[in-house]
Amino acid sequence: SQTIHQWPATLVQPVGSPLSLECTVEGTSNPNLYWYRQAAGRGLQLLFYSVGIGQISSEVPQNLSASRPQDRQFILSSKKLLLSDSGFYLCAWSGGTGDGYTFGSGTRLTVV
Amino acid sequence: QKEVEQNSGPLSVPEGAIASLNCTYSDRVSQSFFWYRQYSGKSPELIMSIYSNGDKEDGRFTAQLNKASQYVSLLIRDSQPSDSATYLCAAQYNFGNEKLTFGTGTRLTIIP
Repeated sequence: SQTIHQWPATLVQPVGSPLSLECTVEGTSNPNLYWYRQAAGRGLQLLFYSVGIGQISSEVPQNLSASRPQDRQFILSSKKLLLSDSGFYLCAWSGGTGDGYTFGSGTRLTVV
Repeated sequence: QKEVEQNSGPLSVPEGAIASLNCTYSDRVSQSFFWYRQYSGKSPELIMSIYSNGDKEDGRFTAQLNKASQYVSLLIRDSQPSDSATYLCAAQYNFGNEKLTFGTGTRLTIIP
């Protein structure tokens, strides 16, 4: 069966520090991968999606970037965090069958 | 701008009653619709998907879709306290990358 792993679960980072969040999927090949952010009391905002290795599409201009160095690995990064980057970051995957996403357990990021 | 609208609630329903959650979407091209349940502090979990007009039942859950009215709903029968959560409606409008657009969610509280 397919599983998605996301880490770390919780992160507290100072303003201006770098960020790296990692997500991996097991049990499938060539998944579609997504990064979402959920700010406190708000909906899910799509940040990036990828349909293959090295293929990244950005939905919202910001100081974040994403990379997909391997088929089942998706990384969210920032060189310098802002206070507004705080939120609940969710990685998700889909299998190209139109059956919706499966989300990882999420990373709660607090920028201080 | 493709949008999915939900009443943010909170919606309070007595235990054992039927909870009715509603969602409208703006893009007539949208073909697939999903309901996710999100417990506080946790990641969203897919509970229902619907692709055709009409009703789809799965246990205590029934999803209803009316494409002419651009309206999706979720009914929860025999509501239990464990159903207390935020329910997110999502629409898929791109079969290639399967991006989902989410509503902001409806917070449901089941009163014992």
